Amino acid sequence: KAGVTQTPRYLIKTRGQQVTLSCSPISGHRSVSWYQQTPGQGLQFLFEYFSETQRNKGNFPGRFSGRQFSNSRSEMNVSTLELGDSALYLCASSLALTGTENTEAFFGQGTRLTVV
Amino acid sequence: AQKITQTQPGMFVQEKEAVTLDCTYDTSDPSYGLFWYKQPSSGEMIFLIYQGSYDQQNATEGRYSLNFQKARKSANLVISASQLGDSAMYFCAMREGGLTGGGNKLTFGTGTQLKVEL
Repeated sequence: KAGVTQTPRYLIKTRGQQVTLSCSPISGHRSVSWYQQTPGQGLQFLFEYFSETQRNKGNFPGRFSGRQFSNSRSEMNVSTLELGDSALYLCASSLALTGTENTEAFFGQGTRLTVV
Repeated sequence: AQKITQTQPGMFVQEKEAVTLDCTYDTSDPSYGLFWYKQPSSGEMIFLIYQGSYDQQNATEGRYSLNFQKARKSANLVISASQLGDSAMYFCAMREGGLTGGGNKLTFGTGTQLKVEL
């Protein structure tokens, strides 16, 4: 069974540009969550998509957006990139329908974004 | 208040010895789940173990066990018989359900860097 696949693995962008990251969850998983990891702020939740709908949202500016397709693949977009957006972006997929269910969240290998 | 607190920024352990990584949490939600993840230098987050708030027994997965003390709101990870390959960053995380909206939002601690020595 394939794991969570994130593409690309590495990206270098210039300030002001926009970027799109992709995440393919484990087959059958309908929930995809995105996280930003930086040395200063640690791991922070961006948003979660379930059945093509955003179910949860973290405290990030509107430049960060996402979507989920009918096959559960998800993309996140960051517009008008800033130097502070340089980070490891991780996505996680899960079977869980609610927060009370005993299921793991499996992570991809991440996309390392560098903004110059 | 921090929802997940890991007070050990770094830990050293001798190979083949056991080590305990501390994690305390804060929530008013009666339904929640606690996770431990391992993150090697490659960056991937590897799931280790899960404990649900209603689980009566401590979770175990191979060499990993979770010492769950609900009244003290602690969920310490115990790694038995440490191996060199266990050297990594370890994160404790919580997923809250029920009253606070559920879903799959994980709140992470700041992590503990574990170094296993010969």
